[in-house]
Amino acid sequence: EAEVAQSPRYKITEKSQAVAFWCDPISGHATLYWYRQILGQGPELLVQFQDESVVDDSQLPKDRFSAERLKGVDSTLKIQPAELGDSAMYLCASSPDIAGGYTFGSGTRLTVV
Amino acid sequence: AQSVTQLGSHVSVSEGALVLLRCNYSSSVPPYLFWYVQYPNQGLQLLLKYTTGATLVKGINGFEAEFKKSETSFHLTKPSAHMSDAAEYFCAVRLTNAGKSTFGDGTTLTVKP
Repeated sequence: EAEVAQSPRYKITEKSQAVAFWCDPISGHATLYWYRQILGQGPELLVQFQDESVVDDSQLPKDRFSAERLKGVDSTLKIQPAELGDSAMYLCASSPDIAGGYTFGSGTRLTVV
Repeated sequence: AQSVTQLGSHVSVSEGALVLLRCNYSSSVPPYLFWYVQYPNQGLQLLLKYTTGATLVKGINGFEAEFKKSETSFHLTKPSAHMSDAAEYFCAVRLTNAGKSTFGDGTTLTVKP
């Protein structure tokens, strides 16, 4: 069964450092999402891509977060500088179309110390 | 805009008992509705979805949900709980003209032997 690949699985970083997460969606899925999930809450959308274009980044803290999907395949989410409040699970998901459910990766658990 | 309310952040049932997890939504247009399951330190896995057609939808692991437009509800049920069903469950709504899904805050299901 096809999977969404994410790395790393766990990341510990110091406050004010830069950190990056990588996601490779299911082949052929044009839509890619980055969600942030704080412990005890549901996932919240950070950014949505359609191919290489950003469709929705209204909830992305653009002063410190950036995301790219240069060739419309894999994607990178970066935080610089990291803050204590960024500690969360970062989830990548892809979908074949607007009606399809998401396939999620296993996520990256970020701890900022 | 859309939103999701999951009633009850924790539900506990005995093994073999009925599982009922409640979800109410608000949406400005006919929605697509989803249930996901999340095990500790994992991504979310799609259980079932409603897009159009039959309002009673069946998913994996014996779960089903019924879309009730008049009640704006999409409750998840399973006739007989198994120990392996213990996990966190998320309801999500997506507008039919957008790809972004909005998630509830989740319900943790505990299954007692």
